Amino acid sequence: EVQLVQSGAEVKKPGESLRISCKGSGYSFTNYWINWVRQIPGKGLEWMGRIDPSDSYINYSPSFQGHVTISADKSISTAYLQWSSLKASDTAIYYCARSEQQPGLGVWGQGTTVTVSS
Amino acid sequence: QSALTQPPSASGSPGQSVTISCTGTSSDVGGYNYVSWYQQHPGKAPKLMIYDVSKRPSGVPDRFSGSKSGNTASLTVSGLQAEDEADYYCSSYAGNYNFEVFGGGTKLTVL
Repeated sequence: EVQLVQSGAEVKKPGESLRISCKGSGYSFTNYWINWVRQIPGKGLEWMGRIDPSDSYINYSPSFQGHVTISADKSISTAYLQWSSLKASDTAIYYCARSEQQPGLGVWGQGTTVTVSS
Repeated sequence: QSALTQPPSASGSPGQSVTISCTGTSSDVGGYNYVSWYQQHPGKAPKLMIYDVSKRPSGVPDRFSGSKSGNTASLTVSGLQAEDEADYYCSSYAGNYNFEVFGGGTKLTVL
């Protein structure tokens, strides 16, 4: 079964760093891009960026460039989303999702809830 | 403000059809045949229902169909069922740095 399994919920303080993960299984991890999507509670979906795990080539949305870092370790079929200094406005659910070269996010992780509060 | 415009709500009775619109520009919806539709039930991850404007992934009922005319895409749900009640999001490709530009979402209510 093709799956993306994300790391668990996080509660952090403003200014702290954080890395969340997304592990793929049931398919060849390097054959598909991993995308990250943000959903602020009660709000819509926002595409943050994507990575090609085969060579770690990354596209960032201009809205998120410089605010987050996307990476991947193909040896353990895992992609990451990280922050160096969290803000309260980063409070959201973060999803990873698989895509081919063309758009269409066909497989989604279960989501990771990140809460940033003092 | 989302890049693509969707009505905030839509509704229909069981068995009826409902169509949800998604309006963009020539830089996204109108410029590419890469419109997708996602269904999201409360507390769940989104699910891909339509890709490439009108294609259905395996397992998606043929009650769901997609189309596009100019800068506006549409999702039609025919033979509404109770389980179709969910939020629906459209998205469009708008270049590699806007790989998936989403609409604001439409809450579909089955009356």
